[in-house]
Amino acid sequence: KNEVEQSPQNLTAQEGEFITINCSYSVGISALHWLQQHPGGGIVSLFMLSSGKKKHGRLIATINIQEKHSSLHITASHPRDSAVYICAVNFWGGTSYGKLTFGQGTILTVHP
Amino acid sequence: DAGITQSPRHKVTETGTPVTLRCHQTENHRYMYWYRQDPGHGLRLIHYSYGVKDTDKGEVSDGYSVSRSKTEDFLLTLESATSSQTSVYFCAISPGLAEAYEQYFGPGTRLTVT
Repeated sequence: KNEVEQSPQNLTAQEGEFITINCSYSVGISALHWLQQHPGGGIVSLFMLSSGKKKHGRLIATINIQEKHSSLHITASHPRDSAVYICAVNFWGGTSYGKLTFGQGTILTVHP
Repeated sequence: DAGITQSPRHKVTETGTPVTLRCHQTENHRYMYWYRQDPGHGLRLIHYSYGVKDTDKGEVSDGYSVSRSKTEDFLLTLESATSSQTSVYFCAISPGLAEAYEQYFGPGTRLTVT
């Protein structure tokens, strides 16, 4: 079964801390996505990656294809980073039309 | 931001009534998707479209139908709404130029079935 698992489910941090959210998946993928959703808000794509590492501001995403694992790091966290972070993948297998399978999400709260 | 809107943004309806949600895009993207988001389940795919009049089922399609008569519009219909369909519904679009591409999400529709 094609599955995506995230950890932790909930994460609380103090402002300035380094944060890591993990994502693992069950079978081969063509790409992995990290999404952000603020409370009551829409969903925004942060990264799409299929290998290596990407960086945007204080956010860094890495992926290890052999280990079937990805991490999202936030450096110097800030209360405005408080949101739900969602991992999603495009599994290999025929013509998938870009369909995504999602993890359950990680609720991040950063206190000042 | 990708030009994608959903209407209505909020709706309360009674069990047994039909409901149609609209997703409209101005990006001319090929692929469109309907998801529902529920606590404990995350986002799940209801239906998707890979072109005008080309649609297929996702993992939670029972009780839902879709139509796409124009590139820019993707309609989701609940034929006879049930309380289990109370959820937040998100539409997403993707260029469809490759097997994997970023998806851009609409603002969501909060549907309550009483």
